[in-house]
Amino acid sequence: KAGVTQTPRYLIKTRGQQVTLSCSPISGHRSVSWYQQTPGQGLQFLFEYFSETQRNKGNFPGRFSGRQFSNSRSEMNVSTLELGDSALYLCASSLNAFGNTEAFFGQGTRLTVV
Amino acid sequence: EDQVTQSPEALRLQEGESSSLNCSYTVSGLRGLFWYRQDPGKGPEFLFTLYSAGEEKEKERLKATLTKKESFLHITAPKPEDSATYLCAVIDNTDKLIFGTGTRLQVFP
Repeated sequence: KAGVTQTPRYLIKTRGQQVTLSCSPISGHRSVSWYQQTPGQGLQFLFEYFSETQRNKGNFPGRFSGRQFSNSRSEMNVSTLELGDSALYLCASSLNAFGNTEAFFGQGTRLTVV
Repeated sequence: EDQVTQSPEALRLQEGESSSLNCSYTVSGLRGLFWYRQDPGKGPEFLFTLYSAGEEKEKERLKATLTKKESFLHITAPKPEDSATYLCAVIDNTDKLIFGTGTRLQVFP
């Protein structure tokens, strides 16, 4: 059974640009959540999507957005990139709405903003 | 404000030397507590879910326990391959997953 797949694995972008990250959940999983991981802040929740609807949102600026498609695949977009956006972005999928089942994580996308 | 605190930040053990990692939490309406293992450059790997005080779960050399204020991850006779960062996370009554900053475990042969 394939796990959670995130693409690309690595990205280098320039300040002011925008970036789109992709996450394919485990087959049959309907919930996808996104996290930002940095050495100083640890893992911080960005948002969760369930059945194409944003179900929950963390405390991040509006430059961070996401969406989920009918096949449960999800994308995360960051506009007007800042140096502080450099981080490992992790996606997790779970069978049902997040509070009810455990989450399985992908390998992450390492974003570097220069 | 919901908070998860893990201690110690780092732990060095000799192979076979058992120890415990701590996760203390203050959260509105705990719906579940999770333990994950994370290796460098990889995403967290799910280990355990605990839902109520008194609950215990075991997997190989690991055992997780839960009280009303904290959880412990006991590592019995660890091996070098147990070296990783162990993350604790809680789900509050808004269904947000809140992570601690982790305990970095190193096990030496």
